[in-house]
Amino acid sequence: EAGVTQSPTHLIKTRGQQVTLRCSPISGHTSVYWYQQALGLGLQFLLWYDEGEERNRGNFPPRFSGRQFPNYSSELNVNALELEDSALYLCASSLEWDPSQPQHFGDGTRLSIL
Amino acid sequence: AQSVTQLGSHVSVSEGALVLLRCNYSSSVPPYLFWYVQYPNQGLQLLLKYTTGATLVKGINGFEAEFKKSETSFHLTKPSAHMSDAAEYFCAVSLYTGGGNKLTFGTGTQLKVEL
Repeated sequence: EAGVTQSPTHLIKTRGQQVTLRCSPISGHTSVYWYQQALGLGLQFLLWYDEGEERNRGNFPPRFSGRQFPNYSSELNVNALELEDSALYLCASSLEWDPSQPQHFGDGTRLSIL
Repeated sequence: AQSVTQLGSHVSVSEGALVLLRCNYSSSVPPYLFWYVQYPNQGLQLLLKYTTGATLVKGINGFEAEFKKSETSFHLTKPSAHMSDAAEYFCAVSLYTGGGNKLTFGTGTQLKVEL
């Protein structure tokens, strides 16, 4: 069974640019989550999608957005990039929205802002 | 709101020694608890989970954790450390708050295994 896959692996952008990160969940998983792992800030919840709808978002500005497609894959978009957006962005998926279901993570996209 | 506290950002043990990584949680409702491990340049791998039932949970790679409601703890242990256990470990809590499903993580514990 293929795990959660994320692309690209690495990205280098400059301030003010826009970026799109992609995630394919485990087959059969309908919920997709995005987390930011920034140095010194730990793992922070960004967004949760289930059945194509945004169900919850963390304490991040609106320039962080995303969507989930009918095949349950997801994109995370970040506009007007700032230096503090440099981080590892992790995508996770779960079988359903039930919080007892474990989330399975991809290897992440490392975003560097110059 | 739920929160997770991991005592000790860095833990060092000798190969073959007991591993004990501490996790305490705060939650107004019964939580679901997870331990994840992160190796360098990788994502998080699920070690084990507690949802309901038996309070002693066994996971992969010889790790186990015990849910103690009275102490609000979910410490991770392994009887004998191996060099390959060197990684960062995260404790996490999950519960449905009405606003959505998400994991709240502790700050992580970096485990170093020495010869």
